[in-house]
Amino acid sequence: AQSVAQPEDQVNVAEGNPLTVKCTYSVSGNPYLFWYVQYPNRGLQFLLKYITGDNLVKGSYGFEAEFNKSQTSFHLKKPSALVSDSALYFCAAQDTGFQKLVFGTGTRLLVSP
Amino acid sequence: GAGVSQSPSNKVTEKGKDVELRCDPISGHTALYWYRQSLGQGLEFLIYFQGNSAPDKSGLPSDRFSAERTGGSVSTLTIQRTQQEDSAVYLCASSLASGGTWAQYFGPGTRLLVL
Repeated sequence: AQSVAQPEDQVNVAEGNPLTVKCTYSVSGNPYLFWYVQYPNRGLQFLLKYITGDNLVKGSYGFEAEFNKSQTSFHLKKPSALVSDSALYFCAAQDTGFQKLVFGTGTRLLVSP
Repeated sequence: GAGVSQSPSNKVTEKGKDVELRCDPISGHTALYWYRQSLGQGLEFLIYFQGNSAPDKSGLPSDRFSAERTGGSVSTLTIQRTQQEDSAVYLCASSLASGGTWAQYFGPGTRLLVL
């Protein structure tokens, strides 16, 4: 069965510092991996995806993620955090041949001024 | 262009009543998904539609839940005889086609509260 783990409920970082939000996955085949962000009382906004190719994927708002097959990880990163990045971040996986997304439990990012 | 829209944005109902939630996907998107977001269960897949194919209903939690998609566009999620545990945010998403190469784009959700 597919599963996604986000080991941190919350990540705290100071504005201007780099941030990392961790994600590991378990799928039976080659994974499609996604990051979404959710602001209060809003739906999920697509940030980036990994399908194949370069292990470093660049997305919206300066975010990027690194796919590591040997560690089955897909960590979200940003070189310099903004206060406005504070939100709930979800990692998701989709196994080839399946259509549904399996989500992690979410990580709350808090960027302090 | 316009994103995925959902209505109503909020719905309060009494236990035992039926509710209908509506989703308008992005124009031209052939795949449509329903998910549920609740405190206890996180984000769960409910049902998936792709074109004229039979929907994947594998995530529906009980037979009180049903969904339809008319004309390959608008979808309605119906919950019959609502229970308090149905309280959650119901999210709709659409994608250009099926398969993981196409990202799913989500609507703002319908927040359902069953009293």
